[in-house]
Amino acid sequence: DAGVIQSPRHEVTEMGQEVTLRCKPISGHDYLFWYRQTMMRGLELLIYFNNNVPIDDSGMPEDRFSAKMPNASFSTLKIQPSEPRDSAVYFCASSLEERWQGQGEKLFFGSGTQLSVL
Amino acid sequence: AQSVTQLDSQVPVFEEAPVELRCNYSSSVSVYLFWYVQYPNQGLQLLLKYLSGSTLVKGINGFEAEFNKSQTSFHLRKPSVHISDTAEYFCAVSFSGNTPLVFGKGTRLSVIA
Repeated sequence: DAGVIQSPRHEVTEMGQEVTLRCKPISGHDYLFWYRQTMMRGLELLIYFNNNVPIDDSGMPEDRFSAKMPNASFSTLKIQPSEPRDSAVYFCASSLEERWQGQGEKLFFGSGTQLSVL
Repeated sequence: AQSVTQLDSQVPVFEEAPVELRCNYSSSVSVYLFWYVQYPNQGLQLLLKYLSGSTLVKGINGFEAEFNKSQTSFHLRKPSVHISDTAEYFCAVSFSGNTPLVFGKGTRLSVIA
């Protein structure tokens, strides 16, 4: 398997523009997670899905952020409108494990999308 | 409140020297503990884990960590580092197995030749 695939690797946009980040989880994994990494706050969980259904979006910073998972092999994280403070690395991760303690050992990360909002 | 603290944001160390990266957590429930490593321009990879049993756990690339319940710590150690160990290291905790992983802010290890 190719692992978790994220696109684009880098995104530079201007404030106010819409940004869409994409993720393809590992085939067969039924959990998908979106994380954001910043110097100030470290790695934060934004939202996660189980079987394409959003389970917990309490980490989504505000209404400008939305995430979807239309099928088992694809998810998007959208920011509209984008702001400079959204600049960060956004990671997608997937897992098959149902128990949270097992999640840690069976959680696979993509290479991330480096977002810069000017 | 449940939290994870990595006390050092950056740790420079000379090649072949020992290193310890510190991680403390705050919890009133049982925990499951992990260390992840992030090499430049890559995603996170699991380094080692503590789920139960022996409190000293060994991971890949010669790293080990010890779970200390009384100190609520899970420090990562390596007796002799290599240049290739230069990376960012994240401590992560699942509280009672009922919550998603909570990550520390990371420690950037820089190995100097």
